[in-house]
Amino acid sequence: AQSVTQPDIHITVSEGASLELRCNYSYGATPYLFWYVQSPGQGLQLLLKYFSGDTLVQGIKGFEAEFKRSQSSFNLRKPSVHWSDAAEYFCAVEAAGNKLTFGGGTRVLVKP
Amino acid sequence: GAVVSQHPSWVICKSGTSVKIECRSLDFQATTMFWYRQFPKQSLMLMATSNEGSKATYEQGVEKDKFLINHASLTLSTLTVTSAHPEDSSFYICSASSRAWGYTFGSGTRLTVV
Repeated sequence: AQSVTQPDIHITVSEGASLELRCNYSYGATPYLFWYVQSPGQGLQLLLKYFSGDTLVQGIKGFEAEFKRSQSSFNLRKPSVHWSDAAEYFCAVEAAGNKLTFGGGTRVLVKP
Repeated sequence: GAVVSQHPSWVICKSGTSVKIECRSLDFQATTMFWYRQFPKQSLMLMATSNEGSKATYEQGVEKDKFLINHASLTLSTLTVTSAHPEDSSFYICSASSRAWGYTFGSGTRLTVV
């Protein structure tokens, strides 16, 4: 069965600093991978997705992610964090049956 | 872009009553809709998958008689929490899937059972 692990429950970063959120997946086939962001009390917004092709994927809000098959990872990065980036971030993998399996999430706090 | 409207955004109900949550895809037809439950500070747990005109497929451990799902059209799915109890209090999120837009999420419904 597929699974997604986000090792960091919380990350605190200063505004303007870089951010990297880790995501490791376990899936037998070629994965479809996603990163979502959730603000408090809200639904999920898609940041970016990887299906195939270039392993470096650009998303919205200045985010990017790199798929590394050898490490089963799909880490999310942003060069310079803004206070509005404080939120919960979820990595997800699409499995058979077109279902999404989510990681546990990483809460990002931004210090002024 | 694709928009999924979920209503209500929050609801408080008395224990033993039923609550219906609607999920609509506003500008696209959703081949499949998904219902998730999210406890505070936790991830999303898939409850069920529904396709228009057919019975929902529930995940293991989800009571289908308590969480009734109706997917009457390609743009509307409803989740009814029957005989709600305080332990059903949670954040419920729907998602609509389409070939064109992938997965689009509603803004969620905060259910509080008192």
